[in-house]
Amino acid sequence: QPVLTQPPSASASLGASVTLTCTLSSGYSNYKVDWYQQRPGKGPRFVMRVGTGGIVGSKGDGIPDRFSVLGSGLNRYLTIKNIQEEDESDYHCGADHGSGSNFVSFGGGTKLTVL
Amino acid sequence: QLQLQESGPGLVKPSETLSLTCTVSGGSISSSSYYWGWIRQPPGKGLEWIGSIYYSGSTYYNPSLKSRVTISVDTSKNQFSLKLSSVTAADTAVYYCARRDIVATLHFDYWGQGTLVTVSS
Repeated sequence: QPVLTQPPSASASLGASVTLTCTLSSGYSNYKVDWYQQRPGKGPRFVMRVGTGGIVGSKGDGIPDRFSVLGSGLNRYLTIKNIQEEDESDYHCGADHGSGSNFVSFGGGTKLTVL
Repeated sequence: QLQLQESGPGLVKPSETLSLTCTVSGGSISSSSYYWGWIRQPPGKGLEWIGSIYYSGSTYYNPSLKSRVTISVDTSKNQFSLKLSSVTAADTAVYYCARRDIVATLHFDYWGQGTLVTVSS
């Protein structure tokens, strides 16, 4: 099954941009990844799904246009432009274990701090 | 609007069984388009998928927890439940229930607010 790796922390200044990375383990370059945002004290909410061709499907409800994704090789990226205070959250990536699989893995999450 | 709500004891003693229930409102748990899952998050750590269940009772468990986990569904009450046996301090976490769309979007689209379970004597 895929292992997903995320850096534990990232930071960016108000109004700047940041790119968060989720790296799939070797052999899983064709896998899609779901990004989830988790604000302090809240449950996760779906941001969007990304494959090597970019976004798959639609963004989650209420996700602003400032959020975008890209995929390349084993990496799946979430970019946030014009960062706002409300973007300070933990960001998790998750993936199922293949087409039609009901097994799921998550990365360790990245804590984004807005400076 | 679909809502999920976790309930159960917030404190469990080591070696005992953790039991939680997720009540679904605003929609039917018997829909063929969804699996219903449990995910946990130890303090300061990432998410860990525990397992999922279909309304028919079909289950999938995280291999690392499979020997201790049982997930069941009660369609008459629109609820599904988690039992985790022989708990230790490592099982202390916020436990979330969530719905996963298995037809269209394939992601967890609705989550409960989470409930903290502490394992301590």
